[in-house]
Amino acid sequence: DAGVIQSPRHEVTEMGQEVTLRCKPISGHDYLFWYRQTMMRGLELLIYFNNNVPIDDSGMPEDRFSAKMPNASFSTLKIQPSEPRDSAVYFCASRPSLGETQYFGPGTRLLVL
Amino acid sequence: QKEVEQDPGPLSVPEGAIVSLNCTYSNSAFQYFMWYRQYSRKGPELLMYTYSSGNKEDGRFTAQVDKSSKYISLFIRDSQPSDSATYLCAMSPYSSASKIIFGSGTRLSIRP
Repeated sequence: DAGVIQSPRHEVTEMGQEVTLRCKPISGHDYLFWYRQTMMRGLELLIYFNNNVPIDDSGMPEDRFSAKMPNASFSTLKIQPSEPRDSAVYFCASRPSLGETQYFGPGTRLLVL
Repeated sequence: QKEVEQDPGPLSVPEGAIVSLNCTYSNSAFQYFMWYRQYSRKGPELLMYTYSSGNKEDGRFTAQVDKSSKYISLFIRDSQPSDSATYLCAMSPYSSASKIIFGSGTRLSIRP
């Protein structure tokens, strides 16, 4: 299995631009999670999906952030408009229905100038 | 106050030493406790998973939970340079938990 795949691995953009992060979960996993990691705040859960349905988006910072999961093998996290304080590493993770292990992707390093 | 507190380090020890990593928490509802290891520029990976109080051993790693003190520990015996990473504690009230609260991570360096 290829594991969780994220793209792009690095993104540099200017303030005000739209940013789209992509994730392909492990095949057969029913849960998909988006996290953000910064030095100041650590690893924070933004939103998670079960069977493509958003279950809890209470961690999404504000309306500039949105996430979708149109099918079981693809999810996006969009930031529009982006701000310098959005600079962080964004991780996608997936998990099967039965089991406690979340499998993380390699992350996308986002820098907003 | 954060729900989970973890000393960020960095912690540097010589190869072969016993390493002790710790977290405290404030939410008494937490029942499931995890340790994740994160190598530089990689995603976290689950290292240990324990339920309630007690010890769990896996090779050179031992996870310890003391719910009365709201304190968890990870011990690494015979530490190796390959153990150099950031270690994050994590916890949840439920099994197969979706909403996990992570500590900020302790950066560990093992000197050859």
